[in-house]
Amino acid sequence: AQSVAQPEDQVNVAEGNPLTVKCTYSVSGNPYLFWYVQYPNRGLQFLLKYITGDNLVKGSYGFEAEFNKSQTSFHLKKPSALVSDSALYFCAVRDGPGANNLFFGTGTRLTVIP
Amino acid sequence: EAGVTQFPSHSVIEKGQTVTLRCDPISGHDNLYWYRRVMGKEIKFLLHFVKESKQDESGMPNNRFLAERTGGTYSTLKVQPAELEDSGVYFCASSQGGRRTGELFFGEGSRLTVL
Repeated sequence: AQSVAQPEDQVNVAEGNPLTVKCTYSVSGNPYLFWYVQYPNRGLQFLLKYITGDNLVKGSYGFEAEFNKSQTSFHLKKPSALVSDSALYFCAVRDGPGANNLFFGTGTRLTVIP
Repeated sequence: EAGVTQFPSHSVIEKGQTVTLRCDPISGHDNLYWYRRVMGKEIKFLLHFVKESKQDESGMPNNRFLAERTGGTYSTLKVQPAELEDSGVYFCASSQGGRRTGELFFGEGSRLTVL
């Protein structure tokens, strides 16, 4: 069965510092991994995805994520956090090309402190 | 290009009443999904339409929930009768047909509060 774990409900980071939002996954086949962000009173917005290829994936707003197969992780990172990055972040996995839908984690609320 | 739109943005009803949520996907997207997030929990899959056909409804919690997509355009999700545990945010998403590696495009969600 597919599952996604986001071990931190809340992450606080000072503006200008690097940030990491953690995600681990479990699938039976090859994972297709996604990060989405939800700003206040907005829908989920796509940030980036890993399908195949380079383990380091770059996405919107300066975010990147590193796929680590041995650790079954797909942590979201940004070198320098902005106050405007404060939002709710969701990691999601699709269990290979045959799967129709995404399985999401519980979300991590990121707060960037000025 | 218009994104996925959902209506209403927030609905407050009493237990036992009926609510209908509507989703308009991005034009030309064959795939339409309904998801739900209960407070603090993960976003859970409810069902998937390909055009007007239900491809997968394994996530529908019970027979109080009815989803339709007449003509393969917009979709409705009806909850009848609503229970307290149905409260949450209902997200609709769409994607282009056949693109299993593509991301889903989400609406802003419909928040349902059952009192």
